[in-house]
Amino acid sequence: GENVEQHPSTLSVQEGDSAVIKCTYSDSASNYFPWYKQELGKRPQLIIDIRSNVGEKKDQRIAVTLNKTAKHFSLHITETQPEDSAVYFCAATFPGGGADGLTFGKGTHLIIQP
Amino acid sequence: NAGVTQTPKFQVLKTGQSMTLQCAQDMNHEYMSWYRQDPGMGLRLIHYSVGAGITDQGEVPNGYNVSRSTTEDFPLRLLSAAPSQTSVYFCASSRGGAIKETQYFGPGTRLLVL
Repeated sequence: GENVEQHPSTLSVQEGDSAVIKCTYSDSASNYFPWYKQELGKRPQLIIDIRSNVGEKKDQRIAVTLNKTAKHFSLHITETQPEDSAVYFCAATFPGGGADGLTFGKGTHLIIQP
Repeated sequence: NAGVTQTPKFQVLKTGQSMTLQCAQDMNHEYMSWYRQDPGMGLRLIHYSVGAGITDQGEVPNGYNVSRSTTEDFPLRLLSAAPSQTSVYFCASSRGGAIKETQYFGPGTRLLVL
């Protein structure tokens, strides 16, 4: 099955700086890569996603890039703010006909230092 | 729309007890799934369903049963709880289909097995 590796496990940045979280996946058939943000005690919420026919996608301060050849994708957050502090999870589609099951990375705890 | 709802929010069980975690969605989504979240492990897929009457196993199915008698409901059953099943359980749903879709998560159920 799919395997998703996520790095780093913890990332501390100064407010206003950029943060980058990287993920690699193993199944070249995977074609959907969402990123979720989870605040303490809350449910994971989708913040951005990318499909395999696109190399980059932006939404205000957040961007995701995908390199299909190298099988890795990254989350970029610019001009970080205190409310960006959370755990971020990358995911890739679970291989299987018609199934939307996601394989998640183990998460990155992003800490924004004031 | 209420989105994805889960009950109960918290539960304490003794080893060997059984219980059912409830999940419901009012978005007419075909695809529903159950994940468990453990510290440092991300979210792992337990079981999923691509429509009423159809279920399949995910990454960590042992010790759990599911059924899908209606589009709206997808309960998760623990037949004989074990301490290793102490976790936070999230239900998710999406429209499903060949084109991968955003998955929406419920608020979670915290389960402690003594």
